[in-house]
Amino acid sequence: GAVVSQHPSWVICKSGTSVKIECRSLDFQATTMFWYRQFPKQSLMLMATSNEGSKATYEQGVEKDKFLINHASLTLSTLTVTSAHPEDSSFYICSARGQGNSPLHFGNGTRLTVT
Amino acid sequence: AQSVSQHNHHVILSEAASLELGCNYSYGGTVNLFWYVQYPGQHLQLLLKYFSGDPLVKGIKGFEAEFIKSKFSFNLRKPSVQWSDTAEYFCAVDGSGNTGKLIFGQGTTLQVKP
Repeated sequence: GAVVSQHPSWVICKSGTSVKIECRSLDFQATTMFWYRQFPKQSLMLMATSNEGSKATYEQGVEKDKFLINHASLTLSTLTVTSAHPEDSSFYICSARGQGNSPLHFGNGTRLTVT
Repeated sequence: AQSVSQHNHHVILSEAASLELGCNYSYGGTVNLFWYVQYPGQHLQLLLKYFSGDPLVKGIKGFEAEFIKSKFSFNLRKPSVQWSDTAEYFCAVDGSGNTGKLIFGQGTTLQVKP
């Protein structure tokens, strides 16, 4: 079945550095990918929608200059957390779907800890 | 703004007990409704979904959910839970015309005691 792979599964970085998270669709072409953020014991919050070859659409309140999203190919979207701060520590999850009414598939998520 | 509310944050049941997890949403238009499960250390998996038609939806692993439009609810049920059902359960709504943009509830942790 369709699989979405996220890498890394966990990462620790220092304040001020940038971290890149990858989301790959392994056996289908993902025309649309979504990035979510989940705080402990809270819901998944949609951060942005990424369509292949175009700029990401960010949800209200999400800083696009801080959370850079690139969807350069039909199998890869990346989320870069720039100048990370401890409050950016969270669980980041991507989902991906193909064309039309294709089902949505989720990655395993990435645990980011900023020290 | 759309929102999804799951009433139970943490549920503890014994094996063979019946399960019902509440989910209410606030959105006046047409919605697609989902229940996802996340087993420890794994990714979100779709349990079931409702787009249209019969409001009683059957999913995988013996789960079902009923869409009650008048109550804006989509409660998840299972007649007899197993230890392996221990997981986090999320209700989600897509009110954007099946674009895949989901609004999630806060999740319910289900712990089933053997």
